[in-house]
Amino acid sequence: DSGVTQTPKHLITATGQRVTLRCSPRSGDLSVYWYQQSLDQGLQFLIHYYNGEERAKGNILERFSAQQFPDLHSELNLSSLELGDSALYFCASSVGRTSGGTDTQYFGPGTRLTVL
Amino acid sequence: AQRVTQPEKLLSVFKGAPVELKCNYSYSGSPELFWYVQYSRQRLQLLLRHISRESIKGFTADLNKGETSFHLKKPFAQEEDSAMYYCALSGRNTGNQFYFGTGTSLTVIP
Repeated sequence: DSGVTQTPKHLITATGQRVTLRCSPRSGDLSVYWYQQSLDQGLQFLIHYYNGEERAKGNILERFSAQQFPDLHSELNLSSLELGDSALYFCASSVGRTSGGTDTQYFGPGTRLTVL
Repeated sequence: AQRVTQPEKLLSVFKGAPVELKCNYSYSGSPELFWYVQYSRQRLQLLLRHISRESIKGFTADLNKGETSFHLKKPFAQEEDSAMYYCALSGRNTGNQFYFGTGTSLTVIP
């Protein structure tokens, strides 16, 4: 168990709806990353937060947004959902050192989103 | 630009046979390379990173800067090695962002 938790485990919703996915990083980790894993596109980086601030954006749609709260948990908001948004959404966390070296990212179990 | 290439989408080997999962990268500077494993669409787990030079579950990987490769190897494949394997790259130039390859699905045939 990497210590990263994600809720809910499964989510089934309809097109046009809005959902919120939640991630709690490992104790002491300041960085949170969101990834989307779909069958046809593999693992896609969405966004990175460090200590409450957005650090980097990847292939994140404008319909998607995220934030990291003072207690360091993060939420990924997906709105105006489309069938193609069905995927596994992973959160990862890392220590988030500010200089020198690269942190290992530890992944959560993922949230499986199904849009009908 | 940073890029990770895993040329094999699917790889099948017999139990007890050697296995090599290929990973090539593009990066200007000193990269940090990782291998992650994912069993049955569960969470990704870190298998190894090149700077630790560890051997995990019998797997090893050597960073070859001349060939820009970080191939994952195991001398004798086991059935429990069947999984999806992702190569990932990071470094100072990426702001700690990870770039993942598209993954290789390994099947070990009994």
